[in-house]
Amino acid sequence: DGGITQSPKYLFRKEGQNVTLSCEQNLNHDAMYWYRQDPGQGLRLIYYSQIVNDFQKGDIAEGYSVSREKKESFPLTVTSAQKNPTAFYLCASSFSGTPRTGELFFGEGSRLTVL
Amino acid sequence: AQSVTQPDIHITVSEGASLELRCNYSYGATPYLFWYVQSPGQGLQLLLKYFSGDTLVQGIKGFEAEFKRSQSSFNLRKPSVHWSDAAEYFCAVGLNNAGNMLTFGGGTRLMVKP
Repeated sequence: DGGITQSPKYLFRKEGQNVTLSCEQNLNHDAMYWYRQDPGQGLRLIYYSQIVNDFQKGDIAEGYSVSREKKESFPLTVTSAQKNPTAFYLCASSFSGTPRTGELFFGEGSRLTVL
Repeated sequence: AQSVTQPDIHITVSEGASLELRCNYSYGATPYLFWYVQSPGQGLQLLLKYFSGDTLVQGIKGFEAEFKRSQSSFNLRKPSVHWSDAAEYFCAVGLNNAGNMLTFGGGTRLMVKP
């Protein structure tokens, strides 16, 4: 079955540690996205990538980094520079172009808790 | 600044009652409009979308939404709510010149009373 797989589902981190969240898709989508979700704030865009080896900052990129070495994969690293990393992180993918081209498909999310 | 507003953070309805979730947007042109649903601890699933044409759009699970240009609104409705509809609902907008990135509202959490 085609879809988006995020791992791990739950992750605990000590302050000062970097952590990497995995996102893999087998939908043959060109574009991939990372959103952060906090209660009452909806989803905010962290980074997005329209094509392999290229990515752009979203609204809240500070303290995060990404890579896009393969079409299928878009890992997100939450660095120690991120002041408040505890949140639910959602990865999504779509065909490139406009929203008319195709909808966003979401993974099931990764919940990061800083101890 | 562009924005999407969902005025109701929480809504509680009785099973079998009708439902309307509000969404307002602030954009210069008519954007693409979406409603997504999220069950606890899960990702988002697309309920319906509006691009152009008929302003009343039908979606999955018996939901519909109406685009009203004069009010900059895209409210979600369902005639009779089922207990399984309890979830969080997000309105989102996209623009033709912004790739496929969406801006989301803050969400409305729906609770269903038996």
